[in-house]
Amino acid sequence: DIVMTQSPLSLPVTPGEPASISCRSSQSLLHSKGYNSLDWYLQKPGQSPQLLIYLGSNRASGVPDRFSGSGSGSDFTLKITRVEAEDVGVYYCMQSLRAPITFGQGTRLEIK
Amino acid sequence: EVQLVESGGGLVQPGGSLRLSCAASGFTFSSYWMRWVRQAPGKGLEWVASIKQDGGEKYYVDSVKGRFTVSRDNAENSLYLQMNSLRAEDTAVYYCARVTQGGSDIWGQGTMVTVS
Repeated sequence: DIVMTQSPLSLPVTPGEPASISCRSSQSLLHSKGYNSLDWYLQKPGQSPQLLIYLGSNRASGVPDRFSGSGSGSDFTLKITRVEAEDVGVYYCMQSLRAPITFGQGTRLEIK
Repeated sequence: EVQLVESGGGLVQPGGSLRLSCAASGFTFSSYWMRWVRQAPGKGLEWVASIKQDGGEKYYVDSVKGRFTVSRDNAENSLYLQMNSLRAEDTAVYYCARVTQGGSDIWGQGTMVTVS
């Protein structure tokens, strides 16, 4: 199974400051067709997960441009340029290259 | 409106069975892979199962193989998860989600399954 490791697991951030979450996979997530099978999801308190970033670096529809995804192979990063209060929740990376699909442990972002 | 609505959760004794449903609307259900993802209380997300558009391919996490069965009825725009031989560790909120090459872009609100 592909193991997904996120860091940090807890991320206190002052509003207006940047934030960064790392996600590393135990195997390369680079598909033979040239894209990375890595998505980022945010689960806000009391809500279902929502898609933020797909294929490593593509923002999902309606996601603010302060969110960006980067990386390739087995090393990925989610960045928020200026954190807002509505960004609180748990962020998950997920690989879909091969079954079983696996998620990272989650990173809890909180406002200082 | 594009949406997924789960139902069928509840309290069941260990060894019992439950069938979850996921009703899709607002999109062409038969064109998409679908998946079930669960979340135990206070824990992270865990993929459970996926099913191809025509139901011809199905995949499961090892912990549910032989006990859970994913299926779909494209005529009814519905996804199902038949859960047998339930265990305490299956207690979780179960989400259905639409699958695209661009990630799981639509999620239901979830349905709670408690095995106790």
